[in-house]
Amino acid sequence: DAKTTQPPSMDCAEGRAANLPCNHSTISGNEYVYWYRQIHSQGPQYIIHGLKNNETNEMASLIITEDRKSSTLILPHATLRDTAVYYCIVRVAGAAGNKLTFGGGTRVLVKP
Amino acid sequence: DVKVTQSSRYLVKRTGEKVFLECVQDMDHENMFWYRQDPGLGLRLIYFSYDVKMKEKGDIPEGYSVSREKKERFSLILESASTNQTSMYLCASEEGLRYEQYFGPGTRLTVT
Repeated sequence: DAKTTQPPSMDCAEGRAANLPCNHSTISGNEYVYWYRQIHSQGPQYIIHGLKNNETNEMASLIITEDRKSSTLILPHATLRDTAVYYCIVRVAGAAGNKLTFGGGTRVLVKP
Repeated sequence: DVKVTQSSRYLVKRTGEKVFLECVQDMDHENMFWYRQDPGLGLRLIYFSYDVKMKEKGDIPEGYSVSREKKERFSLILESASTNQTSMYLCASEEGLRYEQYFGPGTRLTVT
């Protein structure tokens, strides 16, 4: 029961912005959109999350559409170290044992 | 920065052995999780704990047990290791305000 849909892979040029789309058309009103990434052979790394407003931090920006059915993660200036699998997740924050369920993710390859 | 450490990066055990995987976090987080990650199956929750001595089963608890005697430490125990428990094991600690999960580097366990 995949809650999110992401393209399986994408390439990005080093120094350019990487825009990663995610569809979550069945998102509930109390579910947040979270983004994680996993660099090869490492544990997943939290990037950003949001409910309905756009969010920005030192790593990325998150743009959520007004109907909340899709979102875009933006890496403003991709570097080679941003090569990873990126996971978009919807989940309710605050419930005990609220697990993360990773789908297939988008495999991003940043090229020089 | 939040730090989650796991006792081993790589571990090789024999079938039938009792295996202990340890996880320590340094941010006084209430919630801690054990996942396993397998190719094509994504991240699956084994157990979680929301307080000292408190634990709840996740989606795949069979063959595993856990222990949380101190807030910072959450241990996963394989009572009698089997080859189908060969996997990457990931521990996570959850921050209670924004519910971000921070992962350790993972333990790649091979049972022969």
